[in-house]
Amino acid sequence: QKEVEQDPGPLSVPEGAIVSLNCTYSNSAFQYFMWYRQYSRKGPELLMYTYSSGNKEDGRFTAQVDKSSKYISLFIRDSQPSDSATYLCAMTAGGTSYGKLTFGQGTILTVHP
Amino acid sequence: GAGVSQTPSNKVTEKGKYVELRCDPISGHTALYWYRQSLGQGPEFLIYFQGTGAADDSGLPNDRFFAVRPEGSVSTLKIQRTERGDSAVYLCASSLRGQGSELFFGEGSRLTVL
Repeated sequence: QKEVEQDPGPLSVPEGAIVSLNCTYSNSAFQYFMWYRQYSRKGPELLMYTYSSGNKEDGRFTAQVDKSSKYISLFIRDSQPSDSATYLCAMTAGGTSYGKLTFGQGTILTVHP
Repeated sequence: GAGVSQTPSNKVTEKGKYVELRCDPISGHTALYWYRQSLGQGPEFLIYFQGTGAADDSGLPNDRFFAVRPEGSVSTLKIQRTERGDSAVYLCASSLRGQGSELFFGEGSRLTVL
């Protein structure tokens, strides 16, 4: 059983659709939750960051964390072909281990024009 | 550029050979991380440097793997007696100070062991 579980997809949606990506985790020590976007043959880049439970919105992107259920989500509104990438959830306990991230498997997303 | 630079971008080697992968972090970043990403998987933590010292090397899979950062800037990941299972993309990331700072990843070094 992995500490972080993420449905690998692949997920294929039409342009303009709302996309929902999810991860579950088992380690109660995780306090910081991130979503990274990774284009093919590139390194991951930070998309969203949330501390503890709650929602955070940034443009077309909304991140949700439910610590009681150990469940995090990323919503993408009005999806665009440029959103086509692999989306990775990541989490950490923080403190001196802040950069020691535990990643999910990644979900491959394709947005069709 | 101003990003994390990794060389080589691609490395093909034979089983049993020694390999070195280099990471040049963003200037001024004190924290440096190595991760390994196998095909179809998320990155897995290997080692974390704060300055010149390895603050956490708990992710190194065995004693064939070793990393150094002698002057607190460039880091080298060294793999001895490579095995086919070592084939992966090795990602380096740096952050301004470690605790609470965003990680910036390089494009990775793709290692193939034949």
